Amino acid sequence: GAVVSQHPSRVICKSGTSVKIECRSLDFQATTMFWYRQFPKQSLMLMATSNEGSKATYEQGVEKDKFLINHASLTLSTLTVTSAHPEDSSFYICSAREHKSNPGETQYFGPGTRLLVL
Amino acid sequence: AQSVAQPEDQVNVAEGNPLTVKCTYSVSGNPYLFWYVQYPNRGLQFLLKYITGDNLVKGSYGFEAEFNKSQTSFHLKKPSALVSDSALYFCAVRDGSTNAGKSTFGDGTTLTVKP
Repeated sequence: GAVVSQHPSRVICKSGTSVKIECRSLDFQATTMFWYRQFPKQSLMLMATSNEGSKATYEQGVEKDKFLINHASLTLSTLTVTSAHPEDSSFYICSAREHKSNPGETQYFGPGTRLLVL
Repeated sequence: AQSVAQPEDQVNVAEGNPLTVKCTYSVSGNPYLFWYVQYPNRGLQFLLKYITGDNLVKGSYGFEAEFNKSQTSFHLKKPSALVSDSALYFCAVRDGSTNAGKSTFGDGTTLTVKP
C-alpha cells in the first residue's frame, strides 16, 4: 500500500509556542489530505480536509487560526498548532488520498505525532 | 448524515479461535466501507474495503468482512486469531454517491487475543 510519513513522531513544547507537523505522501501524489486528532482510547476526530492548492476546510468547532494547515504541494501538508496550550496535547494523525473525486479510494494514514504541551 | 457503530468496546478471543468485530453503519447514499487496524502509538493501517461487487471482501493478514445491506453491517472476521492480531480496530463509512469523500469512523474495538 501507499506510504504516508509524519514528522516529528513526538514533540514536547512549552505553552505558548507553535509546533509544526509535517505529513508527506512518499510514493503517490496526494490530492487530498486529512488531519485528525485522537484522544486516548477514543476514535479519530476529523479536524480539517485540505485539497492541494486550496484553503483547508475545517470541521465545526475547530479553530482555523489555531490549527493552520498548508497543503502547498501534492506530497506535503503541514499542520501548525499556534500558541499551543496543554489542552492541545494529543495524538495528531494525517491521512492522504490520491484522487479527491474518487470516494472509493483508500485513505492512507501517517504514523501519527504525539504532542505534549507543558 | 452518516454514522458508524461498533457496539463492542472490547473483544477477547483465544488464539486459534475465530474472531468477529462488529460494525453497523448508516449512510444516505451508497455505502463505501473500510476497516483499519491501529497498533499502540501508531497510525491506522488499511485492512480492506467494500465498494461494490462481492459482499465478501478479503483483505490483509487473513482478515475478511461481509457486507450485508439488509442489516447495514460490515463485520470483520478472521477464521483463526493470532496473538499479533491484538490491536484497536476501526470501521469507517463514506458516502459513495458524493465526491465530498469524508469518512466517518466508529469508536473503535480493542481486540485482545490470548495465547
